[in-house]
Amino acid sequence: GENVEQHPSTLSVQEGDSAVIKCTYSDSASNYFPWYKQELGKRPQLIIDIRSNVGEKKDQRIAVTLNKTAKHFSLHITETQPEDSAVYFCAASVTNFGNEKLTFGTGTRLTIIP
Amino acid sequence: DAGVIQSPRHEVTEMGQEVTLRCKPISGHNSLFWYRQTMMRGLELLIYFNNNVPIDDSGMPEDRFSAKMPNASFSTLKIQPSEPRDSAVYFCASSLLADNEQFFGPGTRLTVL
Repeated sequence: GENVEQHPSTLSVQEGDSAVIKCTYSDSASNYFPWYKQELGKRPQLIIDIRSNVGEKKDQRIAVTLNKTAKHFSLHITETQPEDSAVYFCAASVTNFGNEKLTFGTGTRLTIIP
Repeated sequence: DAGVIQSPRHEVTEMGQEVTLRCKPISGHNSLFWYRQTMMRGLELLIYFNNNVPIDDSGMPEDRFSAKMPNASFSTLKIQPSEPRDSAVYFCASSLLADNEQFFGPGTRLTVL
């Protein structure tokens, strides 16, 4: 089955600096890669996703890059703000019709230092 | 839309008791997922359904766990008998097939004493 590894497990950055979280996956058939943000005591929420036919996707201060050859993808947050402090999870999935199982990474606790 | 609804939000029970967690997916969604989250093991998929049919239950830890989806708007996760190591936050999520984005419910925090 799919195995997703995520690094680092914790990350502290100064407010205004950039943060990068990296994930690798094992199943070359995986074609959908979402990122979820979970604030303390809250539910995970999708912040951005990318499909295997795209190398990069950007949404305001958040971007995700995908390297299919190396089987890794990364989340980039620029101009970090205190409200970016949360746990971030990457995930991978093979999205054939009827198979929507997500395998999650172990999470990165991001702390923004004011 | 009210989003995914889970009940109860908190459950405290004693070892050996039966626990039933409930989930109402977003109307129109046809995939439903049950996850368990702990500090030690992170976010684990227990089971998921497509069109009310269980597709993959390989994440269900033991026979003490069972899940049902009798119709498109309701699912249950049952633990019988419960054990202290079952203490965790249990999330239900739903999505549209072929749309992929999973919407999580608020979770049920289960404590087994």
